[in-house]
Parts: sequence; C-alpha cells; structure tokens
Amino acid sequence: GQSLEQPSEVTAVEGAIVQINCTYQTSGFYGLSWYQQHDGGAPTFLSYNALDGLEETGRFSSFLSRSDSYGYLLLQELQMKDSASYFCAVYGQNFVFGPGTRLSVLP
Amino acid sequence: ETGVTQSPTHLIKTRGQQVTLRCSSQSGHNTVSWYQQALGQGPQFIFQYYREEENGRGNFPPRFSGLQFPNYSSELNVNALELDDSALYLCASSLNGQSNQPQHFGDGTRLSIL
Repeated sequence: GQSLEQPSEVTAVEGAIVQINCTYQTSGFYGLSWYQQHDGGAPTFLSYNALDGLEETGRFSSFLSRSDSYGYLLLQELQMKDSASYFCAVYGQNFVFGPGTRLSVLP
Repeated sequence: ETGVTQSPTHLIKTRGQQVTLRCSSQSGHNTVSWYQQALGQGPQFIFQYYREEENGRGNFPPRFSGLQFPNYSSELNVNALELDDSALYLCASSLNGQSNQPQHFGDGTRLSIL
C-alpha cells in the first residue's frame, strides 16, 4: 500500500521560515510533489523532486531523501497569502496525496 | 492557453441516483486524472486516463467509471450514489501521464448526496 504523513497544522508569523515535513511509504517510487490549496480553491503545483537533494523555486524549496522516505517543503519570507493547505504527493503505483498541512501565517 | 474547466460546479443528488461529471483538459495535455476530496482531507486518486485508455486506478469500487474522448476531455460517472460520495471531485490534466509533469487542477465539482 501507499501512505503519507504530514503535520496537520503549522503556524508562523510573516517574514519567518517554516518547514513542512512529509514521510511516505509506497510500493514503487518515482517522485515527490508538493501542492498548495487555498480554501475553496484548486490545488496548484509547487515543486517536484525525483532525486535526493534540494530544489529551489523562489521563496519555496523542496527536499527529498529517498533512503529515508522523507521530504520537506521550506517556505521562506512568509507572506499572509501563503496561508493555505499544503499537500505532499507521491507517484508510485499511483498518485497518492498526503492528508495536508494547514499553514496559518500571522501578522 | 485555456485552463482545466469542470462542470457542473455544484450538484445535488439523492442516494441510488447516477451522476456524470465533466472535465475539459488544458490545451496540449493528453492525460486526465480524477480525484475525490472530502472536507479537510487530501485528494484521493480515483483513476487516470492517458490517450483515451485507463492508466491507473485507485481504491474505488467499479461503480466509479470514466471515459476520455479524442479531444482529451473526460467524464467521471458514479452509479448507485451513496451518502459517503458527498465530496469535491477534482479533475487534473497533465502531459503524457508522467510523474514529473505538474498536474493542473480544475476548480472541482461539489457533489452533495441527500
């Protein structure tokens, strides 16, 4: 089977840095993706890691360790608009999304 | 570039009925995936269609079926609706069914079963 674990909630202040962790168990593994979803909106793609290491895209970075079945999303210089749910997703046998982490950014 | 569009946006049905949800993929995309998202949870993969063929299926019963057309638009059909089928149904299009390709999601269809 396939399963992913993420913290349910994270709170931080504007300008801070926050890390959202994701651990996974999957039969077969091609890569780890991250998606952002605002309340009432559609998920939007943030990043994809197929190999170990850090991928940086602007204020967002994503890390993968295949040997540890672990990854994280790092959000820097937090802004109020970053308040949303963040999902890690694994493509193994099929696409599997994690339960999501609700990020609240406080002024 | 036209994004992913889904119809209808909201739908109310009763137990035992059947429903068809529709999705138009983003231009240039040949792969469509369908997801069910319950409130406060992550999207659950239903199935994927690549070039009109089913290309993977999640843990959903056979009463969930789909179709992809030559223009790569897609339908999700659900028979014998149950109360637990109440959810947001999301369609996502991508290129070539590959994991490294971003999935572009529509705004979803909110299905309520009474």
